[in-house]
Amino acid sequence: GQNIDQPTEMTATEGAIVQINCTYQTSGFNGLFWYQQHAGEAPTFLSYNVLDGLEEKGRFSSFLSRSKGYSYLLLKELQMKDSASYLCAVRDSNYQLIWGAGTKLIIKP
Amino acid sequence: IAGITQAPTSQILAAGRRMTLRCTQDMRHNAMYWYRQDLGLGLRLIHYSNTAGTTGKGEVPDGYSVSRANTDDFPLTLASAVPSQTSVYFCASSPGDNQPQHFGDGTRLSIL
Repeated sequence: GQNIDQPTEMTATEGAIVQINCTYQTSGFNGLFWYQQHAGEAPTFLSYNVLDGLEEKGRFSSFLSRSKGYSYLLLKELQMKDSASYLCAVRDSNYQLIWGAGTKLIIKP
Repeated sequence: IAGITQAPTSQILAAGRRMTLRCTQDMRHNAMYWYRQDLGLGLRLIHYSNTAGTTGKGEVPDGYSVSRANTDDFPLTLASAVPSQTSVYFCASSPGDNQPQHFGDGTRLSIL
């Protein structure tokens, strides 16, 4: 079967750095997406990786290793507004997105 | 403002009733999707449409139907609602296969 694993919840301090990991086992791979979802709101797109390596976008970076079935989302200079759930999703061989359950990130002052 | 509009925002429905969730996008995206999101689970794909006139089944299609008569609209119908269909429903669209999906604000549906 297809599976996306992420930690259920993480806590970090304002101003710090946090890394959210995602491991996947899917039938084929056609890219990995990270989305942010604030409570009661819609998911919004953060980043996309299809090749191995690091993609940087401001305070957020995403890394992919296809051979290890592994990605992480790195958030720097954490702000209170970063408190949200972070969703990892992999596009499989049928070009459908398989979603992880999400990681709830709690930022403390 | 361009985007995806879902209606209604929330609904309480008696079991056995028929219900249609509406989704409209004005971005001229080819692909559209319906997901349900339940606590502790990832988003699960119900149905999708790669282009107007075509639809396909996702991971959890039973009890739901869709149509795609034109590019902009992608309604989801529950023919006879059951309590297990209580969930938050998100509609999404994307320009194509390798593009990010853009989500509507969701419909919170409770079946009693």
